[in-house]
Amino acid sequence: GESVGLHLPTLSVQEGDNSIINCAYSNSASDYFIWYKQESGKGPQFIIDIRSNMDKRQGQRVTVLLNKTVKHLSLQIAATQPGDSAVYFCAEDPSQGGKLIFGQGTELSVKP
Amino acid sequence: GAVVSQHPSRVICKSGTSVKIECRSLDFQATTMFWYRQFPKQSLMLMATSNEGSKATYEQGVEKDKFLINHASLTLSTLTVTSAHPEDSSFYICSASRPLGSYNEQFFGPGTRLTVL
Repeated sequence: GESVGLHLPTLSVQEGDNSIINCAYSNSASDYFIWYKQESGKGPQFIIDIRSNMDKRQGQRVTVLLNKTVKHLSLQIAATQPGDSAVYFCAEDPSQGGKLIFGQGTELSVKP
Repeated sequence: GAVVSQHPSRVICKSGTSVKIECRSLDFQATTMFWYRQFPKQSLMLMATSNEGSKATYEQGVEKDKFLINHASLTLSTLTVTSAHPEDSSFYICSASRPLGSYNEQFFGPGTRLTVL
């Protein structure tokens, strides 16, 4: 039969602008969340994490916001640079065992 | 930082052959290793969880006889794709975890691109 490919959501921003990438997670029992960056042909690279007892955490140029009420995560990247172009995945850990459930991903494209 | 390697980085094989992929944690002992598969433009899908010295736990829909996992030591896990077919062509990624307080840190390998002709 015919196969239908999935297409990643894409976000295109101008260099220097701020980027916001959103993610809805599935398991209300999840208490640990991670954002990963994946460049083409490479494995995921850790960006930032947050535990469920927090609603905001900041890193270098990145901020993660967690809204447990609506099961929503966001990743904010300040002053986006061309090197930030990649696919970004959120992941949740519902069991504290390291078994991660990945979101569908968002492709970020930065225009110089 | 913790480093996880995979070998080979890419492999092309004929349909019906078996392919072994190695995952190594280079500078730490991993309590658990995980194997993921990723098709183009899609997310990572967990295939199995591997603990040293015990049988792997496979996710629903993953054939354990087709995807053989051996976790011989705290630094090495192998995934063997047996009798590979074109539909097995994918990007296979492993990760290795170690405890961090009440949670587990997880470190990903660079992935192995498998192409089955």
